[in-house]
Amino acid sequence: GAVVSQHPSRVICKSGTSVKIECRSLDFQATTMFWYRQFPKQSLMLMATSNEGSKATYEQGVEKDKFLINHASLTLSTLTVTSAHPEDSSFYICSARGTVEQPQHFGDGTRLSIL
Amino acid sequence: GENVEQHPSTLSVQEGDSAVIKCTYSDSASNYFPWYKQELGKGPQLIIDIRSNVGEKKDQRIAVTLNKTAKHFSLHITETQPEDSAVYFCAASNRDSSASKIIFGSGTRLSIRP
Repeated sequence: GAVVSQHPSRVICKSGTSVKIECRSLDFQATTMFWYRQFPKQSLMLMATSNEGSKATYEQGVEKDKFLINHASLTLSTLTVTSAHPEDSSFYICSARGTVEQPQHFGDGTRLSIL
Repeated sequence: GENVEQHPSTLSVQEGDSAVIKCTYSDSASNYFPWYKQELGKGPQLIIDIRSNVGEKKDQRIAVTLNKTAKHFSLHITETQPEDSAVYFCAASNRDSSASKIIFGSGTRLSIRP
C-alpha cells in the first residue's frame, strides 16, 4: 500500500538551531502534502498545506517565516523549523495524498526536542 | 469552518467486548469521514473511511456508520483484542473542494483489558 516516509524520527538540538524534516511519498505522486503538529495527548493540528510547485498555505496562527515549507517535487516536501526554541518542541507529522479523491496517508512523525 | 467533536476521550473495554466511538461534525458540506488509529510514537494509520453517500461500511471487526441528517458518525470495533489498544481519531473533510483538508476530532484513547 501507499507509504509515506518521514525523516528524521527524532531530533534533539540546542536552542537557536534550524531543523529540517523531510517527508517522502514512496509509491505514489503526492500532489498535496500536509504538515501537522501534535502535543502530548492532543489531536493533530494542521499547520500548513502545500501543493507541488506552489507556495504553502498556512493555517491561522502559524508563522510562515518560522516554519518554512518546500514542496519542490511530487515525492518530497520539507519543513524547516528556523531558529528553534524550547516552545517549538513537539511531534511533527507529515501527510500526503495524490488526487483529492485519494486517501491521505501519514508519516510516522518526527519528535523534536529543543534544549 | 468544520468542527469535529469526538466522545469519549478515554474508553476501557474487556477483551472480546465491543467498543464504540462517536463523532459529530458541523459542516454539512463534509462528505468524507476517515478514521485513524495512532499507536504510541507513530503517525496515524487509516483504518476505515466512509463517504456521505453510504450509511454503513464494514471491514472485518471494524464498522462505521454515518447519519448525515444528524451529522453523526461512529466507529464500532467488535471482538476487541489487545492490539486494538491505541488512540483513535475521527475526521471529516469536503472532497468536492480542491482545498480539501482533513479536520480531526480530539481522539479517543482505547484500552483493552485482558
